[in-house]
Amino acid sequence: DTEVIQTPKHLVMGMTNKKSLKCEQHMGHRAMYWYKQKAKKPPELMFVYSYEKLSINESVPSRFSPECPNSSLLNLHLHALQPEDSALYLCASSQSQGQPQHFGDGTRLSIL
Amino acid sequence: EDQVTQSPEALRLQEGESSSLNCSYTVSGLRGLFWYRQDPGKGPEFLFTLYSAGEEKEKERLKATLTKKESFLHITAPKPEDSATYLCAVRSNDYKLSFGAGTTVTVRA
Repeated sequence: DTEVIQTPKHLVMGMTNKKSLKCEQHMGHRAMYWYKQKAKKPPELMFVYSYEKLSINESVPSRFSPECPNSSLLNLHLHALQPEDSALYLCASSQSQGQPQHFGDGTRLSIL
Repeated sequence: EDQVTQSPEALRLQEGESSSLNCSYTVSGLRGLFWYRQDPGKGPEFLFTLYSAGEEKEKERLKATLTKKESFLHITAPKPEDSATYLCAVRSNDYKLSFGAGTTVTVRA
């Protein structure tokens, strides 16, 4: 009954490429999130969009840039990534910031 | 800064052998404690939210409890399909959800 859809499931890119990760939810949630998860580590928050307002984890480098075209879609634009950016990128959504977050299955990103 | 510590790091159980996972936290104003289950290669799956000390939630073989300093996830008579990493997370006065490192549970038939 709850579903967050992320595409692509896997992405391999070079350090000079530009790519985008996509996230979609149709649950009417008004908050959406991007997380980064390294192997055997917990998810780390990167960005939050809540009622069209962006909040940023200040430790996230500028080579990651989020975009929220509408309340159902959330993109993560990637440019000039480094090998250490290889990770599972998770998208989540919630009715509001205080409510439980529901996660997609992530995009497995590998930087060559 | 919010801190979440989960123990043990890994737990190996025989099918039917009940056990508990611990999540201890330090947070400036708890606005919710969340339990998630994560299978390999998948995103975390929401299990429970607890908001105040003394609160309990149950779902099938899982029961979550909350005190002012920690939460427990009790697994009663586990089955192999309960094998997963269980993540605890706390939300404080801002938007941030802080996760613990997780407990990896393996249930052998």
